[in-house]
Amino acid sequence: KQEVTQIPAALSVPEGENLVLNCSFTDSAIYNLQWFRQDPGKGLTSLLLIQSSQREQTSGRLNASLDKSSGRSTLYIAASQPGDSATYLCAVFGSSGSRLTFGEGTQLTVNP
Amino acid sequence: NAGVMQNPRHLVRRRGQEARLRCSPMKGHSHVYWYRQLPEEGLKFMVYLQKENIIDESGMPKERFSAEFPKEGPSILRIQQVVRGDSAAYFCASSAGSGNTIYFGEGSWLTVV
Repeated sequence: KQEVTQIPAALSVPEGENLVLNCSFTDSAIYNLQWFRQDPGKGLTSLLLIQSSQREQTSGRLNASLDKSSGRSTLYIAASQPGDSATYLCAVFGSSGSRLTFGEGTQLTVNP
Repeated sequence: NAGVMQNPRHLVRRRGQEARLRCSPMKGHSHVYWYRQLPEEGLKFMVYLQKENIIDESGMPKERFSAEFPKEGPSILRIQQVVRGDSAAYFCASSAGSGNTIYFGEGSWLTVV
């Protein structure tokens, strides 16, 4: 059974800081890994999708890496802004192809 | 291109009533997923459907819950005889196929009083 863990559970940083969010998963037989953002009372916004054959993806100030063999992914946020404050969720899509399994999320606060 | 549309956004039901949540996937998407997020908890998979077929319902409670995705119209998540523990946010997601990016709707917040 796939398990996804995100560390830290919460993070508070001053504006402008670069930061790294961590995600680990127990079963390396994955199709892909997706990072999402969730604002309070809202749905999930897809940030980045990394296929299992890829090692990283970039979108603007965001960079996600994937090391499938060690079961790890990181989300790097450059030059953080108060608008980045949200919960960031990591999810893996198993190779059986039927579902995303989510971590518990990292609650990020960027202070002005 | 409209995103995943869910309605109602907020629903209040008394214990014992039925709740019906609707989801229209993104245009061109034939794969639909339902997830539940209980207060202060993570997202839990419930069911995965393709048109007229339930592919994986291993996350669905055995009783009172059912889902469908008919040939025409939205996907429906139905909860019969609701109890307070059903109060949660129910998220629908869709994709064009296995391994493609999955897009989520804004959720339906169910409150059972």
